[in-house]
Amino acid sequence: DIVMTQTPLSLSVTPGQPASISCKSSQSLLNSDGKTYLYWYLQKPGHSPQLLIYEVSSRFSGVPDRFSGSGSGTDFTLKISRVEADDVGVYYCMQGINLPLTFGGGTKVEIK
Amino acid sequence: EVHLVESGGGLVQPGVSLRVSCAASGFTFRSYWMHWVRQAPGKGLVWVSRISGDGSTTNYADSVKGRFTISRDNAKNTLYLQMNSLRAEDTAVYYCVKDSVYSFDYWGQGTLLTVSS
Repeated sequence: DIVMTQTPLSLSVTPGQPASISCKSSQSLLNSDGKTYLYWYLQKPGHSPQLLIYEVSSRFSGVPDRFSGSGSGTDFTLKISRVEADDVGVYYCMQGINLPLTFGGGTKVEIK
Repeated sequence: EVHLVESGGGLVQPGVSLRVSCAASGFTFRSYWMHWVRQAPGKGLVWVSRISGDGSTTNYADSVKGRFTISRDNAKNTLYLQMNSLRAEDTAVYYCVKDSVYSFDYWGQGTLLTVSS
């Protein structure tokens, strides 16, 4: 199974400041079709997860442009350029290249 | 608008069976792979199973293989997860998830299964 490792475990951010979450996979997520199957989800308190970023860096419909994803191979980063109160929750990365699909352990973001 | 509404969770004893359902609307259900993802209380997300649009292909996590069966009724726009020989470690919120070219683009609100004596 591909192991997804997220750091940090938690993050406390002042509104308006940037935040960054790292996700590392135990093997490359670059597929032979040229796509890299790395996704980011946010689970707000008391809610179901929601898709933020697909294929490393593409924002899903309705996702604010303060969210950006980057990386390649086995190392990936989610950045929030200016954190807002609505961004609190747990962020998960997920790999979609191999079964079983696996998630990172999550990064809890809170506001200072 | 896409809606996924799970039902069927509850409190059951170890060893029994239960089926959870997911009613889908707002999209052409038969055209999409569907998944179940679970989340134990206070824990992270764990993929459980998936099924192709026509129901011909299914896959399972090792932890549920042989005990859980995913299925779908495209005429009723409904996804199912039949869970047998339930264990305490199956206690979780079970989410129905729609797949697409964007991956898991829509999630249901989840249904809570508690396995306890």
